[in-house]
Amino acid sequence: EAEVAQSPRYKITEKSQAVAFWCDPISGHATLYWYRQILGQGPELLVQFQDESVVDDSQLPKDRFSAERLKGVDSTLKIQPAELGDSAMYLCASSPTPTGENQPQHFGDGTRLSIL
Amino acid sequence: GQQVMQIPQYQHVQEGEDFTTYCNSSTTLSNIQWYKQRPGGHPVFLIQLVKSGEVKKQKRLTFQFGEAKKNSSLHITATQTTDVGTYFCSYNNNDMRFGAGTRLTVKP
Repeated sequence: EAEVAQSPRYKITEKSQAVAFWCDPISGHATLYWYRQILGQGPELLVQFQDESVVDDSQLPKDRFSAERLKGVDSTLKIQPAELGDSAMYLCASSPTPTGENQPQHFGDGTRLSIL
Repeated sequence: GQQVMQIPQYQHVQEGEDFTTYCNSSTTLSNIQWYKQRPGGHPVFLIQLVKSGEVKKQKRLTFQFGEAKKNSSLHITATQTTDVGTYFCSYNNNDMRFGAGTRLTVKP
């Protein structure tokens, strides 16, 4: 079981509905990442937080996706409205400092989202 | 912009054979990391390479970073069924990126 906690593990919802994912990183880890992984592909970065601040959200579809980490600890990723193409695994990862400073990322088990 | 290719996309080997996956970049990388993702699992960190020409070993796994820091490889000697999974390279040049991965299957 991963040290980074994510919930739910699975989510099935209809298109146009709202969906939210939660992540609790390893205690003390300042950097938190949200990735989307489509089956058969590598993880794609959606957003990176350093403490409570967004460092990189250039790949986040901001018309429907939002992310927050209000207290610099756990984080929520939301999609509203969901579209069929959003079906994927959503992975959360954390590291003590940004990986550019030579720190590995620790991943959670992910939330598998299916849009009907 | 940054272009990193990971090859091959798939590799099927007989148990005991060797396996190699490559990541090739069009520009110099500051560092590169390797992850393994088992079927149905999440990526797990294997190693990080930082120095030009660096070589690191973990039991049957050998990781290399090219002299120009534009390519890297992961080599597994004498594969076992436990090596099954997808191997990703990952790098940070202004933002975090993962290669497309090499999916390894091993026939007992």
